[in-house]
Amino acid sequence: GAVVSQHPSWVICKSGTSVKIECRSLDFQATTMFWYRQFPKQSLMLMATSNEGSKATYEQGVEKDKFLINHASLTLSTLTVTSAHPEDSSFYICSASGGPSNYGYTFGSGTRLTVV
Amino acid sequence: GNSVTQMEGPVTLSEEAFLTINCTYTATGYPSLFWYVQYPGEGLQLLLKATKADDKGSNKGFEATYRKETTSFHLEKGSVQVSDSAVYFCALSERRGGAQKLVFGQGTRLTINP
Repeated sequence: GAVVSQHPSWVICKSGTSVKIECRSLDFQATTMFWYRQFPKQSLMLMATSNEGSKATYEQGVEKDKFLINHASLTLSTLTVTSAHPEDSSFYICSASGGPSNYGYTFGSGTRLTVV
Repeated sequence: GNSVTQMEGPVTLSEEAFLTINCTYTATGYPSLFWYVQYPGEGLQLLLKATKADDKGSNKGFEATYRKETTSFHLEKGSVQVSDSAVYFCALSERRGGAQKLVFGQGTRLTINP
């Protein structure tokens, strides 16, 4: 079946540094990838939608200069949290559409980011 | 905008109990509706879906019926197992910005005790 690999699964970084999270579709070409953020006991909130080879579309209220998204190939999208601060600590999840199952959405296992 | 409201958790049941997790939605038009499940340490997996009113989605003993009149999509299972312990998300799809996007409820953590 369709598999999306997300790395790292958890990361701790110092305030002011940048962190990159990768999302790879392993056995299908992902025409569109989505990045979500999840706060404890809260819903998944869509941050941005990215299509291969074009700029990401950010949801209202999401700072595009802080959350850099690159979708350079049909199998890889990256989210870089720049100049991270403690309030950026959260669970980040990617999903990809274009796979054969799941009505087109396959999710990664998420990345727990802690900024200290 | 569109939104999904789920029954607050956590929910704790004994094995073989009957499960209901409520989900209601607010949407313009008639979106597709989904239930996703997240097992510990894993990504979200599609559990079932329904694409139009009165459709019933079912999988692994779980069922949910798309009720337009009550804007609901409640998840049910007749006899839960310990292996059903997970977080369950209700979601709808909306077309926005040229792409189909999912809007999630807040999730309901389910724990089944032996």
